[in-house]
Amino acid sequence: EAQVTQNPRYLITVTGKKLTVTCSQNMNHEYMSWYRQDPGLGLRQIYYSMNVEVTDKGDVPEGYKVSRKEKRNFPLILESPSPNQTSLYFCASTSLGDSTPEQYFGPGTRLTVT
Amino acid sequence: AQSVTQPDIHITVSEGASLELRCNYSYGATPYLFWYVQSPGQGLQLLLKYFSGDTLVQGIKGFEAEFKRSQSSFNLRKPSVHWSDAAEYFCAVGSGGSYIPTFGRGTSLIVHP
Repeated sequence: EAQVTQNPRYLITVTGKKLTVTCSQNMNHEYMSWYRQDPGLGLRQIYYSMNVEVTDKGDVPEGYKVSRKEKRNFPLILESPSPNQTSLYFCASTSLGDSTPEQYFGPGTRLTVT
Repeated sequence: AQSVTQPDIHITVSEGASLELRCNYSYGATPYLFWYVQSPGQGLQLLLKYFSGDTLVQGIKGFEAEFKRSQSSFNLRKPSVHWSDAAEYFCAVGSGGSYIPTFGRGTSLIVHP
């Protein structure tokens, strides 16, 4: 089954404790991205990657890091989480080779930073 | 830069009534347009997309949307709403080349029995 998986689905942590949210897709997609969703603000892109070892900032990259060492994985790293990073996070992937590319979303990770 | 506006934060309809969710975009060339639905506690699922051709697009779950270039709009419609349609709906616009879609802030649909 074609899918994007994220782990963990729920995470409660404390300020300053480094964490990683994993994202993996099994569709051989080139493009992957991370979004955060906050009430009233919709989805805002944090980082994206056009292919292995190619990453770039989205609209709200501050406080986040990403890496793309393998095509299928695109982890989101919070080196020193703060309460304003409490949010719902989505990973997404897209095949850039499609004539009508669409994004496939993971189920989301709800992060709470206290 | 491209942008998307969903003017309605909340929409309330009765079950069985028709539905129209508004979406306006700002982009110079022909955009790629999408509607996604997010059910409570779920990720986003694509309802339909427009890239070119017929401006009336059919999607899943009985939804359709019409691209109107003159109005810069891509409104989502459904003739008869079911209680299970209660969800958050997002319109998104992308462009050729880099393809990085921009999402609207979403419209929350409430369905009364």
